[in-house]
Amino acid sequence: AQSVTQLGSHVSVSEGALVLLRCNYSSSVPPYLFWYVQYPNQGLQLLLKYTSAATLVKGINGFEAEFKKSETSFHLTKPSAHMSDAAEYFCAVSDKGSGTYKYIFGTGTRLKVLA
Amino acid sequence: DTAVSQTPKYLVTQMGNDKSIKCEQNLGHDTMYWYKQDSKKFLKIMFSYNNKELIINETVPNRFSPKSPDKAHLNLHINSLELGDSAVYFCASSITADTQYFGPGTRLTVL
Repeated sequence: AQSVTQLGSHVSVSEGALVLLRCNYSSSVPPYLFWYVQYPNQGLQLLLKYTSAATLVKGINGFEAEFKKSETSFHLTKPSAHMSDAAEYFCAVSDKGSGTYKYIFGTGTRLKVLA
Repeated sequence: DTAVSQTPKYLVTQMGNDKSIKCEQNLGHDTMYWYKQDSKKFLKIMFSYNNKELIINETVPNRFSPKSPDKAHLNLHINSLELGDSAVYFCASSITADTQYFGPGTRLTVL
């Protein structure tokens, strides 16, 4: 069965500093991987996705993630944090193996940006 | 011109009541989902329908019953509500394994 682990339920960075949110997955088949952002009291918005094309994926709002098969990782980065980046971030893997395409979500990482 | 919409946004009710949450998508997707987000923000799939056919039914109490009248709608009916049902419920839609688009959520509070 596929699974996703997000290391660090809370991450704090200073405004302008590098953002690094960690995601590791386990999958018996080549995965589809996603990062979503959830702002307070809102739904989930797609940041970026990996679907077996380029291993470095660029998303919205200056975020990017690199798929590393050898490390089974899909970490999310942004060179310079803005106050508006404060939110909950979820990594997800699409469970294609079951034929049903359900997402398996990580437990989320709350990003706090300090002025 | 909302892609995935849910009604109501907030739902406050007493234990034992029956309630429904509606979801509609105008993206032309063939697959729709219901997720539950608990108080610790953990998201878990509950159900999925593909072209009105149930394809995912996770370990969910049978008090929860999804209904898909057509492929643009997926409603969630909950009987005999319990305190533990309090959560945010998200509807989503997709084309097969690709990106899922989420609705704004329905915050259910059971008193």
